[in-house]
Amino acid sequence: KAGVTQTPRYLIKTRGQQVTLSCSPISGHRSVSWYQQTPGQGLQFLFEYFSETQRNKGNFPGRFSGRQFSNSRSEMNVSTLELGDSALYLCASSLVPGQGTKTQYFGPGTRLLVL
Amino acid sequence: AQTVTQSQPEMSVQEAETVTLSCTYDTSESDYYLFWYKQPPSRQMILVIRQEAYKQQNATENRFSVNFQKAAKSFSLKISDSQLGDAAMYFCAYRSAGTDSNYQLIWGAGTKLIIKP
Repeated sequence: KAGVTQTPRYLIKTRGQQVTLSCSPISGHRSVSWYQQTPGQGLQFLFEYFSETQRNKGNFPGRFSGRQFSNSRSEMNVSTLELGDSALYLCASSLVPGQGTKTQYFGPGTRLLVL
Repeated sequence: AQTVTQSQPEMSVQEAETVTLSCTYDTSESDYYLFWYKQPPSRQMILVIRQEAYKQQNATENRFSVNFQKAAKSFSLKISDSQLGDAAMYFCAYRSAGTDSNYQLIWGAGTKLIIKP
């Protein structure tokens, strides 16, 4: 079974631009979560999607948004990029929330550099 | 709010020896899950082991085992027969288990494990 895939793997943008990251979960997984990882703040939860609905959102500004499609693929968007948005963005998928072991399996991440 | 603390920023161990990484957490919930993830230089986050809080038996996965002390809110990871491929950042993570809960992972700051050949 293929794992979680994320595209692109690397991205360089300039301040003020916007970016869209994509995540395809493991086949059969319907929940997708996004995390930001930076050296200063560590791993922080961005949001979680299930059945095309955002279930939870972390403490990030409105510039960070996401969505989930009917095939469970998810995208996150960051508008008006700031230098501090430079980070590794990790996507994780899991089975239906509330069932199973609730283990999240991670993709390889997208490394975003904002200049 | 739940918190996870890893007090060892870095640990080193001789190849083939045993090392224990510490993790403590704070929660008022009685039902939850605990995880250890490994992040090698490739940055891929890999699940090492998981523990359900309602299970008293400590989880084991080959050379990896945990010491889960629920009352003390402690969840340490023991790596036996350390191998060069074990070198990585290790993160301890907490997740609520209730059906109405927020299922986000709450992370510790990580411990960098160095394996000396």
